[in-house]
Amino acid sequence: DAKTTQPTSMDCAEGRAANLPCNHSTISGNEYVYWYRQIHSQGPQYIIHGLKNNETNEMASLIITEDRKSSTLILPHATLRDTAVYYCIVRVSGGNQGGKLIFGQGTELSVKP
Amino acid sequence: GAVVSQHPSWVICKSGTSVKIECRSLDFQATTMFWYRQFPKQSLMLMATSNEGSKATYEQGVEKDKFLINHASLTLSTLTVTSAHPEDSSFYICRVPGQGDEQYFGPGTRLTVT
Repeated sequence: DAKTTQPTSMDCAEGRAANLPCNHSTISGNEYVYWYRQIHSQGPQYIIHGLKNNETNEMASLIITEDRKSSTLILPHATLRDTAVYYCIVRVSGGNQGGKLIFGQGTELSVKP
Repeated sequence: GAVVSQHPSWVICKSGTSVKIECRSLDFQATTMFWYRQFPKQSLMLMATSNEGSKATYEQGVEKDKFLINHASLTLSTLTVTSAHPEDSSFYICRVPGQGDEQYFGPGTRLTVT
C-alpha cells in the first residue's frame, strides 16, 4: 500500500470548514484513498473513500487532485465533536477482507469555540 | 447501533497475570478479524490477523506465544495477553470487515498492568 503524509496537527474554528490535506504521491492506479477518524479513547470510524472523483457524504467531502497524488478531506461546518485524529489511508479496495489497513500518524484536528 | 463490541472496555490486572479480551461481530459473520494496539499519543499498530478455523498470523515483532488469539466462531475472536507486564498496558482495538468494503472497529479495551 502506498505511503501517506499528513500534517501532525491542525486547528479549526467551530462552524468553519476544516480542510485536512494528505499527500500520497506513490499511489497506484488501483488504490483508493480512505479517511478514518478516531475520537479520543474510541475505535476508528470510517468517514469516506474515493478513487479519483470527488466524493461527498453526510459527514464530509473528499477532493482528490487530478494526478491523484494528494487529497483533501473537508468537514464543511466543523463542530467541537469533530475534534479527533484523522487518518488518510491508501489501499486497494475490496478483496482479502480489507487487507491489513495500516495506519500512519494522522492529523490531530482541534476544533475550537 | 454498534456493529462490533469488545469486552471488557477496560481492565486493570497485576503483573504476571493473563487477561482475555473479546471481540464480537454483532451484524456480520467474519472469517477474519484484526487486532491492533495503540500506545498513548501513537497511531494504531496492527498486531495480528485472526482467522476462523486456522492459526492467527502475526505481524513482525509481535510474540505469538504472548498474545494468544482464538477465533472461536464466525462472530467471536479473543486476544489473551499472557503473563502481562506494565509495558503491555495499551489500548487494544479489533476490526471486523463488513459487507462490501466496509470496515468496522470495536470501541477498544484499555488494559492497565500494575
